[in-house]
Amino acid sequence: EPEVTQTPSHQVTQMGQEVILRCVPISNHLYFYWYRQILGQKVEFLVSFYNNEISEKSEIFDDQFSVERPDGSNFTLKIRSTKLEDSAMYFCASSRRAVTNTEAFFGQGTRLTVV
Amino acid sequence: DQQVKQNSPSLSVQEGRISILNCDYTNSMFDYFLWYKKYPAEGPTFLISISSIKDKNEDGRFTVFLNKSAKHLSLHIVPSQPGDSAVYFCAASVGGGSQGNLIFGKGTKLSVKP
Repeated sequence: EPEVTQTPSHQVTQMGQEVILRCVPISNHLYFYWYRQILGQKVEFLVSFYNNEISEKSEIFDDQFSVERPDGSNFTLKIRSTKLEDSAMYFCASSRRAVTNTEAFFGQGTRLTVV
Repeated sequence: DQQVKQNSPSLSVQEGRISILNCDYTNSMFDYFLWYKKYPAEGPTFLISISSIKDKNEDGRFTVFLNKSAKHLSLHIVPSQPGDSAVYFCAASVGGGSQGNLIFGKGTKLSVKP
């Protein structure tokens, strides 16, 4: 069964450092998303991406964040200068259609710890 | 700003009985609702959804009920099985989730005891 894969599963970084979280969406999917979940809190939408551009982003997704689909298979989330409050589980998701989210498949997540 | 609320952080049910997970929302613009299930160390997995034009959607052991006037939805699992033990997230969107912007609740941890 096709799945969304994320690497690494756990990333520890020092405050102020740049991190890149990687995702390989399901191959025939066209829409890509990043969500995050701070420990003990709800899953929060960060950004959606379609046709090589951001289609929607939340207030959380400020100038420190960027996304890229560099090679047609990977979908990356970059945090330019990490802060302690960026520590969270980051989930990548993809879907074949945008009309509904029934086909949104999530990866297993990357746990980011900023120290 | 909790637009989607799951007021019960946990629920414990005996195997074979019904599990009822509740969710309330405040944004009347929401027109699509979903339930996701999440096991530890995994990402959320889509379970069932309902459009605001319906009041019930059923898929096997899972039924979602929507009460728009009360801004309330619920997920019924019957009969409950130990493998259903997980965290259940209610999520909502505007425009059928066309942009992927799902608003999640905080989740309810369901424990089904054998």
